[in-house]
Amino acid sequence: QPVVTQSSSASASLGSSVKLTCTLSSGHSTYIIAWHQQQPGKAPRYLMKVEGSGSYNKGSGVPDRFSGSSSGSDRYLTISNLQFEDEADYYCETWDSTTRVFGGGTKLTVL
Amino acid sequence: QVQLQESGPGLVKPSGTLSLSCAVSGGSISSTSWWSWVRQPPGKGLEWIGEISHSGSTSYNPSLKSRVTISADKSKNQFSLRLTSVTAADTAVYFCARAVGGSIDYWGQGTLVTVSS
Repeated sequence: QPVVTQSSSASASLGSSVKLTCTLSSGHSTYIIAWHQQQPGKAPRYLMKVEGSGSYNKGSGVPDRFSGSSSGSDRYLTISNLQFEDEADYYCETWDSTTRVFGGGTKLTVL
Repeated sequence: QVQLQESGPGLVKPSGTLSLSCAVSGGSISSTSWWSWVRQPPGKGLEWIGEISHSGSTSYNPSLKSRVTISADKSKNQFSLRLTSVTAADTAVYFCARAVGGSIDYWGQGTLVTVSS
């Protein structure tokens, strides 16, 4: 089954950009992933799906500041013009016909 | 817009059975979707528990499979989770969610279940 790996933490300054990475395990480099944002004390929120081609499909109401991309086994979430409300945990998710898995999450701090 | 709402006891005794329901509004559980349960222990990450399809097929996390049952009640437009032989390690916020086109796209607000005597 697939495994997705994320860095545990990231930080960036208010108004800058940050790129978060989700890495797919060997043999699963073509898999689609999804990004979810979880603000403190809240439920996760779906942000987007990112394909191996680099195309991405955002959920309703997700700001234009959020975008996705891909390179090999890596799937990225880029947040531009960082705002304090972007400080959150970000999880990637992938799936196959029998299972669904989440990465360990990246805690993003906005400085 | 699809909305999901979890309900059930917030406290379960060790060795007992955890039972939760998820009421779906703004959409039908008979539509082409998978209906999932995900949990999050305090201070930790997300763990997929399992899911049921619109046609009644189920998939479970292998680490929990022996203790988990997910079922659906189309007449009430809701689906349920049953987890047996619980221990303190099952203390978590439990989320229900919808998956369409592969990924989860809607989440419930979550409900905290504590396992304690």
